[in-house]
Amino acid sequence: QVQLQQSGPGLVKPSQTLSLTCAISGDSVSSNSAAWNWIRQSPSRGLEWLGRTYYRSKWYNDYAVSVQSRITINPDTSKNQFSLQLNSVTPEDSALYYCVRGGGGHNYAFGYWGQGTLVTVSS
Amino acid sequence: QSALTQPASVSGSPGQSITISCTGTSSDVGNYNYVSWYQQHPGKAPKLLIYEVSNRPSGISNRFSGSKSGNTASLTISGLQAEDEADYYCSSYTSSSTRWVFGGGTKLTVL
Repeated sequence: QVQLQQSGPGLVKPSQTLSLTCAISGDSVSSNSAAWNWIRQSPSRGLEWLGRTYYRSKWYNDYAVSVQSRITINPDTSKNQFSLQLNSVTPEDSALYYCVRGGGGHNYAFGYWGQGTLVTVSS
Repeated sequence: QSALTQPASVSGSPGQSITISCTGTSSDVGNYNYVSWYQQHPGKAPKLLIYEVSNRPSGISNRFSGSKSGNTASLTISGLQAEDEADYYCSSYTSSSTRWVFGGGTKLTVL
């Protein structure tokens, strides 16, 4: 059974960097069939896919155009986890952030979700 | 405003069937069989109910079914139960750089 455990601060100051980590159990971040995503949810923007990292003989990343200039998603194979960094945050980035496994038999869908981290951007 | 359009709310009585629609465009729902549906109870993460338009993951009741016609996908829940009361979201892969789009969600009330 795949489980995703998120960690990271719930309060970030404006203009600073939001950093979250997602520890994976029951699967490998280097899986050749899964993709590791970050999705956020807010009352104003609903559910919003932010980006993903995945391994297919080499590492790839995709990012949503809305955050492309500010986002980095990195795998950490030594710890079997992946991370999200979102730079230059504003109050509009306040949301519930989820790490999510895509693929892995559920093609182009999101089959396993972390517990969510509520991030507030405020001074 | 969400990229996919869902009704804000639907309701039904126990035992009845309901259908939730999800309307997109020829760039997403109409062009790919990569529509998925999620159930979200308050305070919980979304749960995958349907992938690739009509496939159910292991462990999902066959009371949940999905279909698609043109730019509109649908989720049908038959034999409504009290525990089905939740928010439901659709999602689709898209040819735009957004990659995935979601609906705004539909609140299901079991009367």
